[in-house]
Amino acid sequence: DQQVKQNSPSLSVQEGRISILNCDYTNSMFDYFLWYKKYPAEGPTFLISISSIKDKNEDGRFTVFLNKSAKHLSLHIVPSQPGDSAVYFCAARLNSGGSNYKLTFGKGTLLTVNP
Amino acid sequence: DAGITQSPRHKVTETGTPVTLRCHQTENHRYMYWYRQDPGHGLRLIHYSYGVKDTDKGEVSDGYSVSRSKTEDFLLTLESATSSQTSVYFCAISERGQGGAKLFFGSGTQLSVL
Repeated sequence: DQQVKQNSPSLSVQEGRISILNCDYTNSMFDYFLWYKKYPAEGPTFLISISSIKDKNEDGRFTVFLNKSAKHLSLHIVPSQPGDSAVYFCAARLNSGGSNYKLTFGKGTLLTVNP
Repeated sequence: DAGITQSPRHKVTETGTPVTLRCHQTENHRYMYWYRQDPGHGLRLIHYSYGVKDTDKGEVSDGYSVSRSKTEDFLLTLESATSSQTSVYFCAISERGQGGAKLFFGSGTQLSVL
């Protein structure tokens, strides 16, 4: 049962354009969402996050939008740069009680930004 | 960069042999995790630790065991490696439980079980 879905395995955009990476989830109890970026032969690195009580969070070129009614979040990168080429993982947090959290990751989307 | 070192970075082993992967951190973070990454599966949690000698299972813990005798070290052991355990293994740390704070990942260990 895949609770966090990234339905696009790959995405290709031109440098300078907008990249939109999508993530859908099924568990309405997720209360926090994160995006991680991964380059080949490296570990994932944290990119941006959003609480379920917000609908938008912005950090420089990166903006995450959350639509709770649709159980959908998206990561916008504007403008896209070749250095943004990487695999992007969406992750969702479930509070299992007390301070016991569980993170569930999507399968990832490979973004390629062409010069 | 968070001070996380995984060793070895690459390992090739035979089916049925024991394998131990090591994760060492210099950040004094309480929480440590082992994930595996496989094509079509993303990142899946194997085991995690919330303190010295305190560990718990993740979603894909079968065939794996862990130990944490010191704050800075978290070991992942495959008692008898199988081909299905061929994967990239990532260690991660966090100050608070996963999701409570962002995770910092190591560079990974590529394990091939022949």
